[in-house]
Amino acid sequence: KQEVTQIPAALSVPEGENLVLNCSFTDSAIYNLQWFRQDPGKGLTSLLLIQSSQREQTSGRLNASLDKSSGRSTLYIAASQPGDSATYLCAVIRNQFYFGTGTSLTVIP
Amino acid sequence: DTGVSQNPRHKITKRGQNVTFRCDPISEHNRLYWYRQTLGQGPEFLTYFQNEAQLEKSRLLSDRFSAERPKGSFSTLEIQRTEQGDSAMYLCASSQGGILVEQFFGPGTRLTVL
Repeated sequence: KQEVTQIPAALSVPEGENLVLNCSFTDSAIYNLQWFRQDPGKGLTSLLLIQSSQREQTSGRLNASLDKSSGRSTLYIAASQPGDSATYLCAVIRNQFYFGTGTSLTVIP
Repeated sequence: DTGVSQNPRHKITKRGQNVTFRCDPISEHNRLYWYRQTLGQGPEFLTYFQNEAQLEKSRLLSDRFSAERPKGSFSTLEIQRTEQGDSAMYLCASSQGGILVEQFFGPGTRLTVL
């Protein structure tokens, strides 16, 4: 069974810092990987989808990388803002979506 | 708003009662997924539909759970004889195409079983 781990579970940074969130998975035979953001009590907002043939995707201040052979993905957030405070979830995709437990990010003004 | 919608947003019920949730996907999306998320955990897959056909069900979906998508548009998830362990956020997502494309999530229905 695919296990997805996200480290750290919680992260607090001052505004303006660059930061990296980590996602690791046990079975490298995945199709794609998707990063989501979840605000408290809300649904998930898709941030980036990386296809298995790609190594990274960028959208604005966000950059996600994928290394299938090592079973890792990172989400890089540049120049963090208080509005970035949320839980960030990664999901690896094979026959279904397997989610990690998330990293709770707090950006302090 | 053309996103995924879910109703109700919150449901409080007593143990043993039946509850039904509704999900309206993005209109042109052929796939619809149900997930359950408990506090501090990521969403767990429950089941999915391609058009009106239910193609896969997780072992998490006990006999008390049933899902339908009668006309390939909206879907309902019913839980019979609710238990306190059913308390969770129930999320619906939709996509156009297969498993390789982005899924778009609704706001969820939070169920509390007293």
